[in-house]
Amino acid sequence: DARVTQTPRHKVTEMGQEVTMRCQPILGHNTVFWYRQTMMQGLELLAYFRNRAPLDDSGMPKDRFSAEMPDATLATLKIQPSEPRDSAVYFCASGLVGGLDEQYFGPGTRLTVT
Amino acid sequence: QQQVKQSPQSLIVQKGGISIINCAYENTAFDYFPWYQQFPGKGPALLIAIRPDVSEKKEGRFTISFNKSAKQFSLHIMDSQPGDSATYFCAAISTGAGSYQLTFGKGTKLSVIP
Repeated sequence: DARVTQTPRHKVTEMGQEVTMRCQPILGHNTVFWYRQTMMQGLELLAYFRNRAPLDDSGMPKDRFSAEMPDATLATLKIQPSEPRDSAVYFCASGLVGGLDEQYFGPGTRLTVT
Repeated sequence: QQQVKQSPQSLIVQKGGISIINCAYENTAFDYFPWYQQFPGKGPALLIAIRPDVSEKKEGRFTISFNKSAKQFSLHIMDSQPGDSATYFCAAISTGAGSYQLTFGKGTKLSVIP
């Protein structure tokens, strides 16, 4: 049963600390998306990769967020330094080709910054 | 700027009834309209999707109605069941000119009561 995996599932950290979230897309998928979900803003697209190349990260605060795909089996989202307003659930999703037809979401990482 | 407006925020429906969730968009470049279902503690999962060249798509108890001229689309859940209780998100996607734009609605929390 192929699925997107994310680690950690929960993370509590203090303001100013670095946070790294990891995602393993479904094998064979060539698009990866990072989303952030909050009660106030709902689901927001942060970044989008195709064939490991970042195509769009306009939704991501550039000063503190960075997203990378070191290889086809790993995508990372890093926040440095973290702030309380970064508290949210971060989802990774993967898909095929243009990523239009189906995006498979991971279970999310619940981040709490105190 | 909220590009996809979703209503209602919450919906309570009797078992066996019809659940209707509406979305309106602004950007005429959007060319793909998926609906996602999300259960608590889980990532969103694609439920059904439509392209603007058709006015309706049906999959089982779920139907999307699409009105291109009004820039509106809706999800109908027929014979609603308690297991349908979840949060539903509409989304609009544009891939024109090599870019990728995705916007989610704010979500509708559906409760189906026995």
